[in-house]
Amino acid sequence: GAVVSQHPSRVICKSGTSVKIECRSLDFQATTMFWYRQFPKKSLMLMATSNEGSKATYEQGVEKDKFLINHASLTLSTLTVTSAHPEDSSFYICSARGLELSNNEQFFGPGTRLTVL
Amino acid sequence: GEDVEQSLFLSVREGDSSVINCTYTDSSSTYLYWYKQEPGAGLQLLTYIFSNMDMKQDQRLTVLLNKKDKHLSLRIADTQTGDSAIYFCAPGGMDTGRRALTFGSGTRLQVQP
Repeated sequence: GAVVSQHPSRVICKSGTSVKIECRSLDFQATTMFWYRQFPKKSLMLMATSNEGSKATYEQGVEKDKFLINHASLTLSTLTVTSAHPEDSSFYICSARGLELSNNEQFFGPGTRLTVL
Repeated sequence: GEDVEQSLFLSVREGDSSVINCTYTDSSSTYLYWYKQEPGAGLQLLTYIFSNMDMKQDQRLTVLLNKKDKHLSLRIADTQTGDSAIYFCAPGGMDTGRRALTFGSGTRLQVQP
């Protein structure tokens, strides 16, 4: 099946710094990527939808200036958490979907655990 | 929007069958997915069913769909300790590729040896 990678898998940073998380589709072109956030023992909450070459669409309540999303190519989307604070600590998961994939399946990355001290 | 509900916890003994239930509200859901998440990991697609089917079997996994009641279930036969994980159901529409999935709360399956 199609593979989606995320980097880094874990990151610890100080409060006030910015962190960039990469999501890559390794063997297919991802026209659409989704960014989710998961709190401990909770479900995934959609943050934003990213289409290659256009601005991301953010869900209600998600600050677009705090969570910057760039989908500059068909294989890479990045999520930058700006001026991170402890409440931003979470598990961030991306998923990707390409037109050539069947059954409308979305493939998920392994996730990035962000800890803000 | 779509509401998806699952029970939070299920405990079974090794070798027994596990049944995880899910109800949803969007009748236009075309593909209905089951994902597995192991601790600290991303989501792994287990199986899916197309909305014009009532049942799909894939080795130890059986998916039942009651479209009238908007009820989906996942049965795991001969449950093993390696099946311990969180299971999410995620109904999707025809254009799921352009829409994100709405996930249930997840059911934590604990398999007792």
